[in-house]
Amino acid sequence: TQLLEQSPQFLSIQEGENLTVYCNSSSVFSSLQWYRQEPGEGPVLLVTVVTGGEVKKLKRLTFQFGDARKDSSLHITAAQPGDTGLYLCIHSNDYKLSFGAGTTVTVRA
Amino acid sequence: SQTIHQWPATLVQPVGSPLSLECTVEGTSNPNLYWYRQAAGRGLQLLFYSVGIGQISSEVPQNLSASRPQDRQFILSSKKLLLSDSGFYLCAWSFGRAGELFFGEGSRLTVL
Repeated sequence: TQLLEQSPQFLSIQEGENLTVYCNSSSVFSSLQWYRQEPGEGPVLLVTVVTGGEVKKLKRLTFQFGDARKDSSLHITAAQPGDTGLYLCIHSNDYKLSFGAGTTVTVRA
Repeated sequence: SQTIHQWPATLVQPVGSPLSLECTVEGTSNPNLYWYRQAAGRGLQLLFYSVGIGQISSEVPQNLSASRPQDRQFILSSKKLLLSDSGFYLCAWSFGRAGELFFGEGSRLTVL
């Protein structure tokens, strides 16, 4: 079931620019996971956010979980070509999956 | 550390032929195992999940079946492939009801 809305669907930026990807829902989630997937490979877990208002940093990536735990964002500072990929927000609960369709990020050198 | 592997990575099969995709997990016991199909722009579709040996839950009735003959082995099968079975298949594992998912490398199936 796709209960998470991701935006934008596509994002193309120049190396060194910043970008933000959004993941929104009308439902409250106990946690959200962000993954990055490169073409022809499986998604790789980046981070899990659990607490409302939580901010987690992973090098140049900053993840936020909304206070009401209905939304999350991923911000990349000074993007590099290696950041190119499909970014997915996913919630897994009771063996079921809620997910966004993904944001395809392209960072041009 | 835990690792997950699935194979083959790519497969081209004629319509009506059988299918077997295999997935194994190492470094853990009694994981939850999943098969997903991913379509471009449409996210992930859960096909099957398993919480233990011989326990399979099907999410979408279709031409595919799954089996878990061993604790850390999960197999996706079909007796007769359809054109619509083409896609990118992902195996994943997790712990517990709300555990993080760890995905395999994916298998690209093309049915001609």
